[in-house]
Amino acid sequence: DAGVIQSPRHEVTEMGQEVTLRCKPISGHDYLFWYRQTMMRGLELLIYFNNNVPIDDSGMPEDRFSAKMPNASFSTLKIQPSEPRDSAVYFCASSQTGGGRTDTQYFGPGTRLTVL
Amino acid sequence: GNSVTQMEGPVTLSEEAFLTINCTYTATGYPSLFWYVQYPGEGLQLLLKATKADDKGSNKGFEATYRKETTSFHLEKGSVQVSDSAVYFCALSVTRGYSTLTFGKGTMLLVSP
Repeated sequence: DAGVIQSPRHEVTEMGQEVTLRCKPISGHDYLFWYRQTMMRGLELLIYFNNNVPIDDSGMPEDRFSAKMPNASFSTLKIQPSEPRDSAVYFCASSQTGGGRTDTQYFGPGTRLTVL
Repeated sequence: GNSVTQMEGPVTLSEEAFLTINCTYTATGYPSLFWYVQYPGEGLQLLLKATKADDKGSNKGFEATYRKETTSFHLEKGSVQVSDSAVYFCALSVTRGYSTLTFGKGTMLLVSP
């Protein structure tokens, strides 16, 4: 099992540029989550999907952020335009819910984004 | 609402010392409780979990008991190793037809030889 795959692992970009982060969840998982981690704010849930449908995007900080899940094996998080305060580690996680209870979330290795 | 409170770090210990990281929670409903660990440069990994009161989760020498009466889920290990140095997150989930976790802010553990 390959686990959750994220790309790129590191991204350095200049302010104003578009950034796209990618995630491949574990096969068979029906939930996908995007998190952001910073020293100041800790781990924040940005958005999550169930069966490719966005369920709650209330954590998305601004309209500059958007996320899509076109199919069960791929999701993107896009920032356009990027700003220095977007610098953080972005994690994707997936889980498989059974019996109506939350099950374990499996995290990817993260993408470290630096916006200059 | 749901919230998790962890003791602030860093927690600094010598190898073979006893570890306790405190975690308390508030939840609307009956939560499942989790401890996740994040090693430097990596994503979070599930360490252990408990789904009902008085359950004890255990893994890699770590233990935590679900205490409903004190709304706590403290993490313990009898003898820490340098390789246990990491950030530990307590988390909860509440069944409401969807699957989300509420995380604490994390506690950094530093173990010296």
